[in-house]
Amino acid sequence: QKEVEQDPGPLSVPEGAIVSLNCTYSNSAFQYFMWYRQYSRKGPELLMYTYSSGNKEDGRFTAQVDKSSKYISLFIRDSQPSDSATYLCAQGLGANSKLTFGKGITLSVRP
Amino acid sequence: KAGVTQTPRYLIKTRGQQVTLSCSPISGHRSVSWYQQTPGQGLQFLFEYFSETQRNKGNFPGRFSGRQFSNSRSEMNVSTLELGDSALYLCASSLDVGGQPQHFGDGTRLSIL
Repeated sequence: QKEVEQDPGPLSVPEGAIVSLNCTYSNSAFQYFMWYRQYSRKGPELLMYTYSSGNKEDGRFTAQVDKSSKYISLFIRDSQPSDSATYLCAQGLGANSKLTFGKGITLSVRP
Repeated sequence: KAGVTQTPRYLIKTRGQQVTLSCSPISGHRSVSWYQQTPGQGLQFLFEYFSETQRNKGNFPGRFSGRQFSNSRSEMNVSTLELGDSALYLCASSLDVGGQPQHFGDGTRLSIL
């Protein structure tokens, strides 16, 4: 079993849709949970970062972490064409900087 | 505040050569990590440097090495290049060792012919 599994996609939605992106992980020692967005020919850009279970909201983005189920989600409300990118979930342990990433899902928002 | 800067952006090498990639972290960040990104394997951790010392290492052969300077800038070296080393190499920085979150640069795209 891989440490982090992410829905493979790709995903195409109309502008204004609510988007749900999901990851599951197997290592219960993970303490940090992040979502990165990566545009073509660019590096990953940090979108959301959380340390604990629960929800965290930032504008149109909501990150949800359920440690008991080892499940993390990213919700995008009122999706825009500029949200078209690859979204990567990442998890980290407390003792070092190594991040374990999902494979990423490519999202396309149609105008 | 300037972000993580990686140079060069693109490199083309042939098998057997070696290459050095450079990374300047965000000002004040002292930990630098390197990752390899390929379509097949995704993002994989190479190593982390803090205070000029390697603190953590991923599952890559010894051909992959790095170092960090006193100003926190870091270099990564790959010797005896193989076709499979073609990838996007990403550098990330954080405030402290083991620190989160990490912020990434735009990477160096390495192509091996």
